Amino acid sequence: AQSVTQLDSQVPVFEEAPVELRCNYSSSVSVYLFWYVQYPNQGLQLLLKYLSGSTLVKGINGFEAEFNKSQTSFHLRKPSVHISDTAEYFCAVSPGNQGGKLIFGQGTELSVKP
Amino acid sequence: KAGVTQTPRYLIKTRGQQVTLSCSPISGHRSVSWYQQTPGQGLQFLFEYFSETQRNKGNFPGRFSGRQFSNSRSEMNVSTLELGDSALYLCASSSPGQEAYEQYFGPGTRLTVT
Repeated sequence: AQSVTQLDSQVPVFEEAPVELRCNYSSSVSVYLFWYVQYPNQGLQLLLKYLSGSTLVKGINGFEAEFNKSQTSFHLRKPSVHISDTAEYFCAVSPGNQGGKLIFGQGTELSVKP
Repeated sequence: KAGVTQTPRYLIKTRGQQVTLSCSPISGHRSVSWYQQTPGQGLQFLFEYFSETQRNKGNFPGRFSGRQFSNSRSEMNVSTLELGDSALYLCASSSPGQEAYEQYFGPGTRLTVT
């Protein structure tokens, strides 16, 4: 069975500081990896995805993530955050053989302070 | 291109009643997945429909059911509502292919059971 662990439930950070949101997964099969962002009272928006190829993937809004197969991690980073990045972030895996099924982590609430 | 739409956006029901939620996918998308989001359990996969057939199913009781129509629109039904069914229900559509399993989410339906 697959599972996703987001290591921090809340991450407070000051504006313009760098941030890393950590995600580890477990799976016995190849997976696709995703980061989604959810703003209050909204659905989920895809930030970036890893399907194959280069382990460093770049997404929208200046975010990037690195896939590390040996450590089964997919951490999300941004070199300089803005107040508008305040939101909840979800890491998700899609088992390669199970169609449109996403398994989500519990989420990390990013709070950017001025 | 219009995004995923869900109706209604908010719903209040009484214990024991049943409810039907609707999801219209992005034009051309043939896969629709449903998720339940609660503060305690997070985001959990309910089921996925592809070409009018249920392709994947999560670990939810039989009170939760769904269907998909020939135009790819999907409905989910919850019978005999319980207080614990109060949640944000999200649907997502995708188009299996080169961008396999990249899902686009709707804004959700907020269901409150009293």
